[in-house]
Amino acid sequence: QQQVKQSPQSLIVQKGGIPIINCAYENTAFDYFPWYQQFPGKGPALLIAIRPDVSEKKEGRFTISFNKSAKQFSLHIMDSQPGDSATYFCAASIGTSGSRLTFGEGTQLTVNP
Amino acid sequence: EAGVAQSPRYKIIEKRQSVAFWCNPISGHATLYWYQQILGQGPKLLIQFQNNGVVDDSQLPKDRFSAERLKGVDSTLKIQPAKLEDSAVYLCASSLSFSSGELFFGEGSRLTVL
Repeated sequence: QQQVKQSPQSLIVQKGGIPIINCAYENTAFDYFPWYQQFPGKGPALLIAIRPDVSEKKEGRFTISFNKSAKQFSLHIMDSQPGDSATYFCAASIGTSGSRLTFGEGTQLTVNP
Repeated sequence: EAGVAQSPRYKIIEKRQSVAFWCNPISGHATLYWYQQILGQGPKLLIQFQNNGVVDDSQLPKDRFSAERLKGVDSTLKIQPAKLEDSAVYLCASSLSFSSGELFFGEGSRLTVL
């Protein structure tokens, strides 16, 4: 099973809030889990990525939490800002080659001022 | 450092017509990808090149889609004949090598098939 299921489809928070985006996968062979951020009219850009040997990774205001037994991972954005308004895609792959990257459906995040 | 360049940004065609998209990856990036992103969905890989050789084209609809990467740099994706369901954004991405975790995407070419 190659699917990556992402929720919610859309999310609205106030500035300073902590939006959380969740993803679930079935294929236990997946061993690389990146998150991409996409602004309107732009291509996706890598935000942060995690391997299954750690349960959490932080980069600035962005944190990935990873639960290997539940086959779930999530993105938390601390102190969210209007500039964080974008579509966020989780993805998973076996190895780091882009040819094996399976993307979720995306979450459209709006951070209100 | 210049990013991934794509053209045209927008294209509107009638069904059964043909269209071609061009991509120039980041200098020095050996691996090039074409993804299809339908509105409201995540990108889906169409084809991956390593230098000028095809690594993976298992999801490319070969009856109508073709792609080439001559001289291991620029690439062209062609659709002929186009169908209504080909309406999407076609994203080109590149990475330093086959196993590089980070893909660098262009801004995409938005195709509308009427």
